[in-house]
Amino acid sequence: SAVISQKPSRDICQRGTSLTIQCQVDSQVTMMFWYRQQPGQSLTLIATANQGSEATYESGFVIDKFPISRPNLTFSTLTVSNMSPEDSSIYLCSVDRSQGFTDTQYFGPGTRLTVL
Amino acid sequence: TQLLEQSPQFLSIQEGENLTVYCNSSSVFSSLQWYRQEPGEGPVLLVTVVTGGEVKKLKRLTFQFGDARKDSSLHITAAQPGDTGLYLCAGHSWGKLQFGAGTQVVVTP
Repeated sequence: SAVISQKPSRDICQRGTSLTIQCQVDSQVTMMFWYRQQPGQSLTLIATANQGSEATYESGFVIDKFPISRPNLTFSTLTVSNMSPEDSSIYLCSVDRSQGFTDTQYFGPGTRLTVL
Repeated sequence: TQLLEQSPQFLSIQEGENLTVYCNSSSVFSSLQWYRQEPGEGPVLLVTVVTGGEVKKLKRLTFQFGDARKDSSLHITAAQPGDTGLYLCAGHSWGKLQFGAGTQVVVTP
């Protein structure tokens, strides 16, 4: 398994501001993933972050809105820029762990963001 | 896009009853994972199934992966209030996870 921590655990922000969420893993990993979970919804992948290269964004998500950093193999940040109430969600980071012939993703506790 | 459909969306049962949650897709996945998520927390991995026809048991939870690796089910025997949570299935394909919409299970004493 993997031990993943996120900061902050929750925040309430004003419209138009930005928030940076940190994700720390207990061991080195190649790929880290960022997800969004809107109220009452399932998880949607925002982007995949590899160390040393630009993040790969999924359809509907852009770097200007969700810039990601991956400075080393145990850490990543996601910034939610120019926030609006529609950005109120839980943001989760995850990592892959190989188990035999398959990869399994483990999740951090999430950051609950409320935008007023 | 591979779509994972979960049913039912919501399930409320009494303690001691059994329940089954279904996860179906028209596409094949290399593996499928089940998670449980409680309010204010991230999803916690319950099991990964890889082989078509595979059955895995985790105490009172039984997981099945369809022969064609397109569908899966989670069966809970003698449910307890501690089983309350959002159950999510997720199919693994090409290095990414595709999540179902989730089944909210409520077990009342």
